[in-house]
This record gives sequence, C-alpha cells and structure tokens, in this order.
Amino acid sequence: AQKVTQAQTEISVVEKEDVTLDCVYETRDTTYYLFWYKQPPSGELVFLIRRNSFDEQNEISGRYSWNFQKSTSSFNFTITASQVVDSAVYFCALSEGRKLIFGTGTRLQVFP
Amino acid sequence: EAQVTQNPRYLITVTGKKLTVTCSQNMNHEYMSWYRQDPGLGLRQIYYSMNVEVTDKGDVPEGYKVSRKEKRNFPLILESPSPNQTSLYFCASRGAGQETQYFGPGTRLLVL
Repeated sequence: AQKVTQAQTEISVVEKEDVTLDCVYETRDTTYYLFWYKQPPSGELVFLIRRNSFDEQNEISGRYSWNFQKSTSSFNFTITASQVVDSAVYFCALSEGRKLIFGTGTRLQVFP
Repeated sequence: EAQVTQNPRYLITVTGKKLTVTCSQNMNHEYMSWYRQDPGLGLRQIYYSMNVEVTDKGDVPEGYKVSRKEKRNFPLILESPSPNQTSLYFCASRGAGQETQYFGPGTRLLVL
C-alpha cells in the first residue's frame, strides 16, 4: 500500500542553522508525484513543490532545496539559514490517483 | 485571485445538530476533495468528486455526506455530528490533467 513516513515529529533549531526534513515513501506505481506543503501557525496549507517520478533533479528555490532519490524512496527537504518565519508544520505527500497520501508532518520550530 | 474558500472558518456545535461546511473554488477545477486533519494522523481524504454529480468515498467517509450540484461548489454535510468528528477540515481542488491540489484555509470544528 502507498505510504508516506515522516519520522521526525518535531525539530528545533536556532535561527541561521540549516535543517533537513526527511520523507520516505512507498508505492508500487511507476508514475507518481511527490509534494511538500507548509502549514504555518495560522493553519492554512501552502503548496511548496511538486516532483514527478521521472525527474530526479534536485531543485533549489531560494533557501529551500529538495533532494529526490528514487533508489532510497526519499524526498528530503532542506532549509538553509533557517528563519523564525520558517516555523511551521511541514507535510510530505504522495499522489495516489484521486487523492494525496500525507505523512504525519514534521513540526519545525526556529528560535531566534 | 485564484482560490479555494471555505465557510465557516471556525464552528462549535453540539452532538446531533446538523451542519454544513461550504467550499467554493474559482479556478474551474474538475476535481474537489475533502480532507480532515488530526494530530498524529496527517490528512486523510473524506470524499472526492471528479465533476458535477460524480462523487465517491475516500478513506474516512463515515458520518459525512457531500454533493456536487455545481462545478465550483462542494459542500460537506454532517447530518448528526459526534465528538469524534472534532477536527480541522480542508477542501481542495485541482484541474483535470494537473497534479497539484490547492487547499482552502481550513475549518476548525468542535463538536461538544
């Protein structure tokens, strides 16, 4: 069965530290999509990135970068030089046809 | 502005009192979903709609109803709410041929 595991329940860092959020997935599909969403304290879900299974190129967007490795079924997310505004719950998700399968989320707290 | 809206944002009710949470999107998306978010469980799909008058159950449909009479609207109905339906609810939509789901701001429901 499809599954997404975010083993880190909570991470605390001090501002300017780099932090990596882990995501491991299981799927039998050969074509699939992976996502990261951010949920700030206000509660909404903000789309960050989508990656399809054919594209293993790493992506960088400002202080954010994503490392997709099919060989280890992982899609990790790194924040460089973290800021207090990065404090949020981050969800990794896997597409399964008509729905997204979410991990349980990682709460990131960035202290000044 | 492209968006998914939900109302109400916050709701406190009592067991057995029927309620409806509305969801509307202005992106002409075919697919719409309802998810609930619970601590330690991530988000789980409740119901799904592929288009007008086409709906199907997700992973946790018990105690919920939906309808899709218009393309833009997808209300979630709790005929007889119970305390175990206390949760954070999200509506989402995506276009045909697209993979990214866009989420509404969430509705926090407390059933006493």
